[in-house]
Amino acid sequence: QQQVKQSPQSLIVQKGGISIINCAYENTAFDYFPWYQQFPGKGPALLIAIRPDVSEKKEGRFTISFNKSAKQFSLHIMDSQPGDSATYFCAAKGNNDMRFGAGTRLTVKP
Amino acid sequence: NAGVTQTPKFRVLKTGQSMTLLCAQDMNHEYMYWYRQDPGMGLRLIHYSVGEGTTAKGEVPDGYNVSRLKKQNFLLGLESAAPSQTSVYFCASSWLYEQYFGPGTRLTVT
Repeated sequence: QQQVKQSPQSLIVQKGGISIINCAYENTAFDYFPWYQQFPGKGPALLIAIRPDVSEKKEGRFTISFNKSAKQFSLHIMDSQPGDSATYFCAAKGNNDMRFGAGTRLTVKP
Repeated sequence: NAGVTQTPKFRVLKTGQSMTLLCAQDMNHEYMYWYRQDPGMGLRLIHYSVGEGTTAKGEVPDGYNVSRLKKQNFLLGLESAAPSQTSVYFCASSWLYEQYFGPGTRLTVT
């Protein structure tokens, strides 16, 4: 079964809008929660990551919100730009095992 | 500094044929990973290595073998390819948490 559930599968937002992608996990042993960005034909690249001892982390226009009790975390992209159009994956890592969500294809319309 | 490189970029195999995918990293990372990426399923860990000479099974190891004879290289082998192994394969490396991905190998098994 998928240990990390990601939604939505696809998302369309207007330029300047806020993109929100959600993930939920099951295994409480996970201790590292990254988000990866992937452009077509390329490998995933780390965008931002959070550890469970903080509830929020912000880097530029990208923010992770983390709710340990609900076992949920989300990615917020502020002022979304057409260049942000890509597939985004959440992930959760425990020991040496990284589990990925199924991905969200984000399209930002100009 | 090339980061993580993968060869080949594309390959077509017939059912029952064998092949080896090569991953190389020049960042002196201890950890290396092989993933497969299928539509709607995110990335799934096949095998990983925590150091030269060590390997371990991931989430979907059946039908694959790996070797890490040198720290900078991680090989993924398919002994008898099956159509179910049609996928995009990504290699990654890391010190601890942040994983750096290669550009991928698109494999088709007919």
